[in-house]
Amino acid sequence: GAVVSQHPSRVICKSGTSVKIECRSLDFQATTMFWYRQFPKQSLMLMATSNEGSKATYEQGVEKDKFLINHASLTLSTLTVTSAHPEDSSFYICSASEPNRPWGVDFFGQGTRLTVV
Amino acid sequence: GESVGLHLPTLSVQEGDNSIINCAYSNSASDYFIWYKQESGKGPQFIIDIRSNMDKRQGQRVTVLLNKTVKHLSLQIAATQPGDSAVYFCAENAGGTSYGKLTFGQGTILTVHP
Repeated sequence: GAVVSQHPSRVICKSGTSVKIECRSLDFQATTMFWYRQFPKQSLMLMATSNEGSKATYEQGVEKDKFLINHASLTLSTLTVTSAHPEDSSFYICSASEPNRPWGVDFFGQGTRLTVV
Repeated sequence: GESVGLHLPTLSVQEGDNSIINCAYSNSASDYFIWYKQESGKGPQFIIDIRSNMDKRQGQRVTVLLNKTVKHLSLQIAATQPGDSAVYFCAENAGGTSYGKLTFGQGTILTVHP
């Protein structure tokens, strides 16, 4: 099946610094990738839709200047958490739609645990 | 906004029993539904999907049932094993311009006792 790889799996950063998370589709091209955030014991909440070659589309309430998304190629999207604060600590997960399915199936990366201290 | 929700947040079963996890959805425009399994510290893993023009779909040890009349989705796991212990999420996609964009339910924690 399609594979989506996310890196790093865990990161600890100091408050005020920026952190970049990478999401790669390993065996298929993904024109669209999605970024989710998941707090402990909660569901996944969509943050933004990453579109290759164009600006990301952010969900209501998500600060686009804080969560910078770049989708420069058909296999890579990056999420940069800028000026991170402890409340940004969360599990960030990306997904990509597998285009060969007639209606698309989202495959997910393994997630990135961000801890801001 | 519209969302997908679950009736039962936790489910405990004995190994070998059948498990049924339920999900209610509210967006009548949704035409595609997926069940995911998420183990601790990992991303969601695709289990099975179903299109709105179907009411049942079977996989290996799993069956998804869709009742559009009452906007209800269920996942049945046959002969549940300890390795099935995880959080299970249903997700819906409204299709059209939101192709690939999923709305997740709250999740059900399944615990399988040996």
